[in-house]
Amino acid sequence: GAGVSQTPSNKVTEKGKYVELRCDPISGHTALYWYRQSLGQGPEFLIYFQGTGAADDSGLPNDRFFAVRPEGSVSTLKIQRTERGDSAVYLCASSGAQNTEAFFGQGTRLTVV
Amino acid sequence: QKEVEQNSGPLSVPEGAIASLNCTYSDRGSQSFFWYRQYSGKSPELIMFIYSNGDKEDGRFTAQLNKASQYVSLLIRDSQPSDSATYLCAVNSGGYQKVTFGTGTKLQVIP
Repeated sequence: GAGVSQTPSNKVTEKGKYVELRCDPISGHTALYWYRQSLGQGPEFLIYFQGTGAADDSGLPNDRFFAVRPEGSVSTLKIQRTERGDSAVYLCASSGAQNTEAFFGQGTRLTVV
Repeated sequence: QKEVEQNSGPLSVPEGAIASLNCTYSDRGSQSFFWYRQYSGKSPELIMFIYSNGDKEDGRFTAQLNKASQYVSLLIRDSQPSDSATYLCAVNSGGYQKVTFGTGTKLQVIP
């Protein structure tokens, strides 16, 4: 596609529920990133895929968070047993090669009530 | 020490002035450096990238990199009210490494 697409744009869920956030990167981009951004903060790294594999998942805060990218394109970030502290904007970005700039989607605003 | 550090601001400059935004990073092996602009409620948008020591100019924007001092800056000439945003510095350590962001500097251009 022309840009990085994230769905849904907004998600409200109850504490304890499971959510999935989807990212469709720019066509042909091999690198895909997930970040989380809280109000007034810079993007916080969660996980980075190179192709289908997670090259670096050191930013996932705990085992409730998991992400997949089974075919090297679309990625899904999965959050189990959501907590109010998970409320944030979840940003996805993709890039075309090593050391090149990342382009961001519009984000998914997750609110856990 | 944070991997990428920026002064959170706000940095206030009058319209038409030069705005200078600064960033330091801790990983001496860092290879790629990016400046993103983020308007309130929007996603970050890339405005500049720099890989080599020295200056890189693009229109009203100049990125400056000093690897010896582990310092990267962004200058905005002839600042406009539309430049008011948060500016994020981002660093990549090369290879298949994550891009790490600073917390951003909020810039306010006063008409």
